[in-house]
Amino acid sequence: SAVISQKPSRDICQRGTSLTIQCQVDSQVTMMFWYRQQPGQSLTLIATANQGSEATYESGFVIDKFPISRPNLTFSTLTVSNMSPEDSSIYLCSVGSASMNTEAFFGQGTRLTVV
Amino acid sequence: DAKTTQPNSMESNEEEPVHLPCNHSTISGTDYIHWYRQLPSQGPEYVIHGLTSNVNNRMASLAIAEDRKSSTLILHRATLRDAAVYYCILRDISNFGNEKLTFGTGTRLTIIP
Repeated sequence: SAVISQKPSRDICQRGTSLTIQCQVDSQVTMMFWYRQQPGQSLTLIATANQGSEATYESGFVIDKFPISRPNLTFSTLTVSNMSPEDSSIYLCSVGSASMNTEAFFGQGTRLTVV
Repeated sequence: DAKTTQPNSMESNEEEPVHLPCNHSTISGTDYIHWYRQLPSQGPEYVIHGLTSNVNNRMASLAIAEDRKSSTLILHRATLRDAAVYYCILRDISNFGNEKLTFGTGTRLTIIP
């Protein structure tokens, strides 16, 4: 299993500012994933973060808006840049499984409100 | 990843069994069927998964149709703590190493005391 810690758990930010969300895993993992969950909606993948390489972004998400760092095998950050109220969501970090017979794990999420 | 279809919501009485259906008519031979649930104010958590045969674990049972085009998550005795959104997800084994999950809308399960 993997234990994932996300910081902060919640924040209220002014529009036009940026927030960096941290994700710490208690074991080394190859891939980490960042999801967004807009109010009342399901989860949508933002990007996949590999250690030592550029993150891979899904359609509709760009690096300038959501820069990601992956400095080592246990840590990643997601920055939400130049925020607007439309960025108010829960942002979740996830790590994959060691094999197809095990599960993915998720952090508790960061609840972001932009005012 | 192949698409799944679930009812938007379901209700069940406490201590009764719950059957949560999922349709995945375009499933491929290399797709595993996974179920996750998201409790209020938490990240998703794994429930169960299977490939062809029915599966049981401490949380639930998974019944998979013979043609694999549908499956049912069974909670044998629902408690108030089982109130959550349940997601049925297909994971392609050929994509192992790229573990991203594609979430549908899920089923919001309400448990009535």
